[in-house]
Amino acid sequence: ETGVTQTPRHLVMGMTNKKSLKCEQHLGHNAMYWYKQSAKKPLELMFVYSLEERVENNSVPSRFSPECPNSSHLFLHLHTLQPEDSALYLCASSRGQRSTDTQYFGPGTRLTVL
Amino acid sequence: GQQVMQIPQYQHVQEGEDFTTYCNSSTTLSNIQWYKQRPGGHPVFLIQLVKSGEVKKQKRLTFQFGEAKKNSSLHITATQTTDVGTYFCAGVNYGGSQGNLIFGKGTKLSVKP
Repeated sequence: ETGVTQTPRHLVMGMTNKKSLKCEQHLGHNAMYWYKQSAKKPLELMFVYSLEERVENNSVPSRFSPECPNSSHLFLHLHTLQPEDSALYLCASSRGQRSTDTQYFGPGTRLTVL
Repeated sequence: GQQVMQIPQYQHVQEGEDFTTYCNSSTTLSNIQWYKQRPGGHPVFLIQLVKSGEVKKQKRLTFQFGEAKKNSSLHITATQTTDVGTYFCAGVNYGGSQGNLIFGKGTKLSVKP
């Protein structure tokens, strides 16, 4: 499946580094999401963008900064992360924000913070 | 806040045995969605249930949505090694939007050949 792509697929960074995760969807969708998936925890929704406007920010620390320049692209800027931020970061998109719109996930970026 | 509980957390079966995972919400749901994540992969949408008491089938997979729209189940008949993965349910609270989709912790299925 290539509807939603994410780069890089793997990232190792130190706590003082600044890096960015990129997500691109080729489905013509209007909503995009960032999730965090840690071991033994449910998928945690971080941010929601609808028509390039942020509509949800679930109490995410400010060291995570999202950016949505257009409806096809979503970035997650990372700075001064902590080791507990190591996780799989998944991007998803959906046609809209209706409750019945299903989400399509990208392959994820496996992040390790040293 | 809304919680979606899923049991069991792990299930090990012999190939050919049946498998069921259960999902329970603390609140009434608008709909429930099921996803499958293969080892090393990402969640892939399987199906959505919207109506009270709805039952849907996909080959060996049977999905049910409870009458009260607070619980759901996924049943796999005669498991195969290709069924290995983690199955997640995800619910949207009644009146909510996709931005309110809450995932269960998932049930990790392993199948012994």
